[in-house]
Amino acid sequence: QKEVEQNSGPLSVPEGAIASLNCTYSDRGSQSFFWYRQYSGKSPELIMSIYSNGDKEDGRFTAQLNKASQYVSLLIRDSQPSDSATYLCAVRPYNTDKLIFGTGTRLQVFP
Amino acid sequence: GAVVSQHPSRVICKSGTSVKIECRSLDFQATTMFWYRQFPKQSLMLMATSNEGSKATYEQGVEKDKFLINHASLTLSTLTVTSAHPEDSSFYICSARVLAGASYNEQFFGPGTRLTVL
Repeated sequence: QKEVEQNSGPLSVPEGAIASLNCTYSDRGSQSFFWYRQYSGKSPELIMSIYSNGDKEDGRFTAQLNKASQYVSLLIRDSQPSDSATYLCAVRPYNTDKLIFGTGTRLQVFP
Repeated sequence: GAVVSQHPSRVICKSGTSVKIECRSLDFQATTMFWYRQFPKQSLMLMATSNEGSKATYEQGVEKDKFLINHASLTLSTLTVTSAHPEDSSFYICSARVLAGASYNEQFFGPGTRLTVL
């Protein structure tokens, strides 16, 4: 079983729609959760971090965490073609410095 | 967020040569840095964790004698690919974890170094 799982996609949404990206993780003791965006040929860019159950909003982005279900998601409102990228979910398990990354979900926003 | 730089951004070398990549945290001190490798259309692969003032911790399957890591200061870690071969051609990315300030606990990536070994 993979430690962090994401649907590889592609997830295709029209411009202006809400894109919903999902991630599950296996280590129940994990405390820190992150979403990164990676454009083709570039390095990952941190979008959001979340540590507590519930929602965290930052502009058009909302991260949602449910530790009981071991589930974290990212919503992108008013999706733009420039949001087209691979979105990486990362989890830091308890008592380690390392981030465990999912394989990423490719998002395509079409005009 | 915090800023991490890498140098060089791109390097082409002949097979058998060694290549050094620098990773710097520009506006924070980083006791721990990480080195990743990413092949085209594949996931990030953690190679090693670099600890300031001590030996790096390598992931299983990564040859520590081939990928030399030095973390001599709180803002600089280097990765040296020794005796590089074409199969070492990849995108090498470093990252650093912030342990103070507004970005506490977050991890930021450098822009990456694209290595091509001929």
